[in-house]
Amino acid sequence: QKEVEQNSGPLSVPEGAIASLNCTYSDRGSQSFFWYRQYSGKSPELIMFIYSNGDKEDGRFTAQLNKASQYVSLLIRDSQPSDSATYLCAVNVLTGGGNKLTFGTGTQLKVEL
Amino acid sequence: NAGVMQNPRHLVRRRGQEARLRCSPMKGHSHVYWYRQLPEEGLKFMVYLQKENIIDESGMPKERFSAEFPKEGPSILRIQQVVRGDSAAYFCASSPGQGAIGEQFFGPGTRLTVL
Repeated sequence: QKEVEQNSGPLSVPEGAIASLNCTYSDRGSQSFFWYRQYSGKSPELIMFIYSNGDKEDGRFTAQLNKASQYVSLLIRDSQPSDSATYLCAVNVLTGGGNKLTFGTGTQLKVEL
Repeated sequence: NAGVMQNPRHLVRRRGQEARLRCSPMKGHSHVYWYRQLPEEGLKFMVYLQKENIIDESGMPKERFSAEFPKEGPSILRIQQVVRGDSAAYFCASSPGQGAIGEQFFGPGTRLTVL
């Protein structure tokens, strides 16, 4: 079982719709959860993080965390063509060795006109 | 520019040569992480450094790869005797310090091509 799993997609949504991206993780010791956006040929860009169960909203983005189910999701409201990218879920387990992030392989999102 | 800086952005090496990748963290950040992204694969952790210390190198290949973060100057990821399988994007990330959140900010990456 992979440590962080994401559906590779592509996930296609029409412009203006809600895009829902999902991620599961295996390590119950995971403490913080991150969503990064990566455009083709570019570096990952931090969108938001969450560490408490429930929802966290930031503009058009909402992160949801359910530690009991080991599940984290990202909702993008009013999707725009510029949101088309690969979305990476990352998990942090704080150890004596610091904040190492474990990434999923990403979900490709396509927002269609 | 207060972001994470990496250079060079593109590096071409022939098999057997050495590759040196540099990373300057964001202003105020003292923690540096190196990740590798192979084509069509996810980001894989390589090493975590603080000034003059390697904290976690559990993701580093056992041979040919080394990293340092000296007291002065950028962090350097060094790959000796490169092979074609080393071709990848190498990203550096920085964070302000060890803490419960642990958000990391990425540089633009160095794309290494081994001929």
